[in-house]
Amino acid sequence: GENVEQHPSTLSVQEGDSAVIKCTYSDSASNYFPWYKQELGKRPQLIIDIRSNVGEKKDQRIAVTLNKTAKHFSLHITETQPEDSAVYFCATIPFNFGNEKLTFGTGTRLTIIP
Amino acid sequence: KAGVTQTPRYLIKTRGQQVTLSCSPISGHRSVSWYQQTPGQGLQFLFEYFSETQRNKGNFPGRFSGRQFSNSRSEMNVSTLELGDSALYLCASSSGPGLRTDTQYFGPGTRLTVL
Repeated sequence: GENVEQHPSTLSVQEGDSAVIKCTYSDSASNYFPWYKQELGKRPQLIIDIRSNVGEKKDQRIAVTLNKTAKHFSLHITETQPEDSAVYFCATIPFNFGNEKLTFGTGTRLTIIP
Repeated sequence: KAGVTQTPRYLIKTRGQQVTLSCSPISGHRSVSWYQQTPGQGLQFLFEYFSETQRNKGNFPGRFSGRQFSNSRSEMNVSTLELGDSALYLCASSSGPGLRTDTQYFGPGTRLTVL
């Protein structure tokens, strides 16, 4: 089955700096890669996703890049703000007609230092 | 629109019992998916229902089952509870079928504790 590794597990960044979280996956059939943000005590929230036919996607301060050859994708947050502090999860869905499974990374706790 | 709601919010059970959790999706949403979140295993996908049919299923034993009603509300059942089933159970809804969607909204979760 699919295995998703996420690094780092914790990340502290000075406010205004950039943060990068990286995930690697094992199943070459994976073709959908969402990222979720979960603030303390709150529910996960989809913040951005990318499909395998695209190498990069950007939404304001958040961007995701995908390298299919190396089987890794990364979340980039620029100009970080205190409200970016949260746990971030990457995930993949491999193409599997009839049964698709969403596999999550182990999460990265991002702390923005004011 | 009201968000995704889950009941109950907290539940305490003992080993061997069974439990049923409920999820009401956002009005108009027909897909409901379920997830288990624990400190040790992180977030894990359980299954997804669309129009009363299970479409996708994760790697959980048969003790975990679910169903969806004609009004899109979904229930998840866990039989013969084990200590390791203690977790936050989240459901999420979306308008279309499948998991490749940019409109998946999570509920607040049900915190299950098995003693």
